Amino acid sequence: AQSVTQLGSHVSVSEGALVLLRCNYSSSVPPYLFWYVQYPNQGLQLLLKYTSAATLVKGINGFEAEFKKSETSFHLTKPSAHMSDAAEYFCAVTRLSGGYNKLIFGAGTRLAVHP
Amino acid sequence: NAGVTQTPKFQVLKTGQSMTLQCAQDMNHEYMSWYRQDPGMGLRLIHYSVGAGITDQGEVPNGYNVSRSTTEDFPLRLLSAAPSQTSVYFCASSYSISQASGRRPNTGELFFGEGSRLTVL
Repeated sequence: AQSVTQLGSHVSVSEGALVLLRCNYSSSVPPYLFWYVQYPNQGLQLLLKYTSAATLVKGINGFEAEFKKSETSFHLTKPSAHMSDAAEYFCAVTRLSGGYNKLIFGAGTRLAVHP
Repeated sequence: NAGVTQTPKFQVLKTGQSMTLQCAQDMNHEYMSWYRQDPGMGLRLIHYSVGAGITDQGEVPNGYNVSRSTTEDFPLRLLSAAPSQTSVYFCASSYSISQASGRRPNTGELFFGEGSRLTVL
């Protein structure tokens, strides 16, 4: 069965510093992987997705993630944090089954950005 | 485009009361689902539907009922609310493989509503 582990429920960085949010997955078949972002009092918005094409995936707002099969990881990075990046980030894995998609989420990582 | 619309955004209930959270999407998605979000637990799947007339249970279905009479609507019913159901509820939808084939690969991307915050006293 698929599962997702996000290391670190809270991450704090300075404005301008590197952002690294960790995600490891388990899957018996090649997965589709996603990062979603949730700003306060809002729904989830897709940041980026891996769909077995390029292993380095670029998303919105300067974020990117690299799929590493050997490490079963899909870590999210951004070279320079901005105050507006403060949000909760969710890694998710899905497997197509019977014509539909079941998305399994990690517990989330709350990113704080301080001046 | 409206996308996925949830109502109400906020609701306070007393233990034992019933209510329905509404969800509608205008993207002609076959797949619709309900998640609940609780601190430190991410999002957990309650129920899902792969088309009109077809529903199934997710990870945490107890205490909730769903129905899917049309492609657009997927209401979530709490028959007898309990404090453990205090949470933020999200409706989400996506294409299914049968919808996506011939146009684009189905990757499982979900489109979310803005959430419904429910408090049960």
